[in-house]
Amino acid sequence: GENVEQHPSTLSVQEGDSAVIKCTYSDSASNYFPWYKQELGKRPQLIIDIRSNVGEKKDQRIAVTLNKTAKHFSLHITETQPEDSAVYFCAARHSSGTYKYIFGTGTRLKVLA
Amino acid sequence: DGGITQSPKYLFRKEGQNVTLSCEQNLNHDAMYWYRQDPGQGLRLIYYSQIVNDFQKGDIAEGYSVSREKKESFPLTVTSAQKNPTAFYLCASRTAANTGELFFGEGSRLTVL
Repeated sequence: GENVEQHPSTLSVQEGDSAVIKCTYSDSASNYFPWYKQELGKRPQLIIDIRSNVGEKKDQRIAVTLNKTAKHFSLHITETQPEDSAVYFCAARHSSGTYKYIFGTGTRLKVLA
Repeated sequence: DGGITQSPKYLFRKEGQNVTLSCEQNLNHDAMYWYRQDPGQGLRLIYYSQIVNDFQKGDIAEGYSVSREKKESFPLTVTSAQKNPTAFYLCASRTAANTGELFFGEGSRLTVL
């Protein structure tokens, strides 16, 4: 069945450094890839997304890249700040009739001041 | 103020009892989803519904049931058949338009004693 693998499960970086989180999906019919941020005790919120017809998308300090051939996509956060500390989830959506979102297992990012 | 509301936030039940978690949205969204969140396992899809009176099983539907009698409401029943019901449950909704964003509720934490 569909599966999304996410690595690493935990990531600690110094404030100001970059952080990269990687995901791999199994279903080649997936065509939409969102990233969600969940702060402690709060609901997941969308931070950036990318569709399969685009290879890269950037929004200020965050960017997402997609390699459809390898079925990989990655989240890049530059100039990390303490408020970036949270759990990040990637997801893949299959859009042929059923809009089913499969999530990765999450990455706990700690930004050390 | 539009949004998606889950209740109750915390729930304690004895083993063998059925429990119903409420999810209501006033965003006029067509699709609604239930996810289960366990530490280290990310968000796993229980059930989803794309229109009223229709729903599909997700990856971990066993021991759960849902209904979608109204567009605004998608309650989840955790039955006594669910082997390990203690978890954090998240409801989400999405518009039918070709946007991808899932809007999440604040979650319900169920503890079975």
